[in-house]
Amino acid sequence: DAKTTQPTSMDCAEGRAANLPCNHSTISGNEYVYWYRQIHSQGPQYIIHGLKNNETNEMASLIITEDRKSSTLILPHATLRDTAVYYCIVRSSTSGTYKYIFGTGTRLKVLA
Amino acid sequence: SAVISQKPSRDICQRGTSLTIQCQVDSQVTMMFWYRQQPGQSLTLIATANQGSEATYESGFVIDKFPISRPNLTFSTLTVSNMSPEDSSIYLCSSRSYQETQYFGPGTRLLVL
Repeated sequence: DAKTTQPTSMDCAEGRAANLPCNHSTISGNEYVYWYRQIHSQGPQYIIHGLKNNETNEMASLIITEDRKSSTLILPHATLRDTAVYYCIVRSSTSGTYKYIFGTGTRLKVLA
Repeated sequence: SAVISQKPSRDICQRGTSLTIQCQVDSQVTMMFWYRQQPGQSLTLIATANQGSEATYESGFVIDKFPISRPNLTFSTLTVSNMSPEDSSIYLCSSRSYQETQYFGPGTRLLVL
């Protein structure tokens, strides 16, 4: 089973910040949080990842709570091209093999 | 980042036939994976493709139905055998090197009639 829970869908106005939450209350100390997005049945696209500290890159920011039980992906100025399904993944480890288990994701719709 | 290509990009097949999907990565990688995405659903991991040995399958997936090969560090194939309409899905190849970010191919869209 996926180790994350996300809202099923969200809307965001174009130009505004999109804040996508993710709950991962069972995360362990050495597990990373990864975010991907999938635009209209293309292959998932890597966005950002983090362990403890907040992270920022050219696409987004990742805010991880101090207890690491939840995180928020922030798209600072959403555009119509950001309409996609966003997946929050905790990188699990079984027998030394890391496997990405996808949950249902959040379907973000950016509105003009 | 690794660039992953898949062939074919899409196909329409008759039930009872088999289709082999190829995955090529532009650099040597440690791990390669195959996922299935059924219509309107999230991604489900089928198996980990191991170089030089049998793939490691997830619960609900078996080698007879989804034989996988990985002859070297940059190439893998997934065969969908004895297809039925329920096999209509997007099949995605993915790869990463140890402790690094995982990347995905564009997917192969399969429709079984």
